Amino acid sequence: QSVLTQPPSVSGAPGQRVTISCTGSSSNIGAGYDVHWYQQLPGTAPKLLIYISINRPSGVPDRFSGSKSGTSASLAITGLQAEDEADYYCQSFDINLSAWVFGGGTKLTVL
Amino acid sequence: EVQLVQSGAEVKKPGESLKISCKGSGYSFSNHWIGWVRQMPGKGLEWMGIIYPVDSDTRYSPSLQGHVTISADKSINTAYLQWSSLKASDTAMYYCARRYSRGDNFDYWGQGTLVTVSS
Repeated sequence: QSVLTQPPSVSGAPGQRVTISCTGSSSNIGAGYDVHWYQQLPGTAPKLLIYISINRPSGVPDRFSGSKSGTSASLAITGLQAEDEADYYCQSFDINLSAWVFGGGTKLTVL
Repeated sequence: EVQLVQSGAEVKKPGESLKISCKGSGYSFSNHWIGWVRQMPGKGLEWMGIIYPVDSDTRYSPSLQGHVTISADKSINTAYLQWSSLKASDTAMYYCARRYSRGDNFDYWGQGTLVTVSS
């Protein structure tokens, strides 16, 4: 049972927009800790996609965007492409656990 | 270019000890926390612990403390994850990752070390 809750899977057709939610609590996202997102392509290491809720590292397309409100955060992907098919993870810090925490991951399928 | 290069895959028997490594280059190794993340087969990412190489300040996940040891040798820009007695349930991919200097995310990741524990 992950501290941050994500839907197990989402899907969309090429060109469409999808969102992935990340729900936390008052001891992590709701306590003001930042939310970050990672993309893990099949058979590869995770890669930072969004940091401090809304920022993109250089090289990440602006089709990827993040938002945060209250105890939740979201990752939006517009103009879906086949290469976006991957697992996506949110991450924050939990003050009660004194630990970095990840969501359970969401598998994105491009139809 | 920032790089984290991890040691190669390992196959061990239950009860054996193991130490895997993560060598950083292209940045000031001592001044960035290095974390370790476990990914069990077909599962998600799990934070294990983190170390600050300059003074070896180390924090562990409450669920894993006592089972693994994290260390670092700043003189050779290398962090380590070790077990004194492996279990079959330690079979997983292990990643090291650099903590971003101005946040609590991980901005660069190693390629991963696959550890297989089987009798």
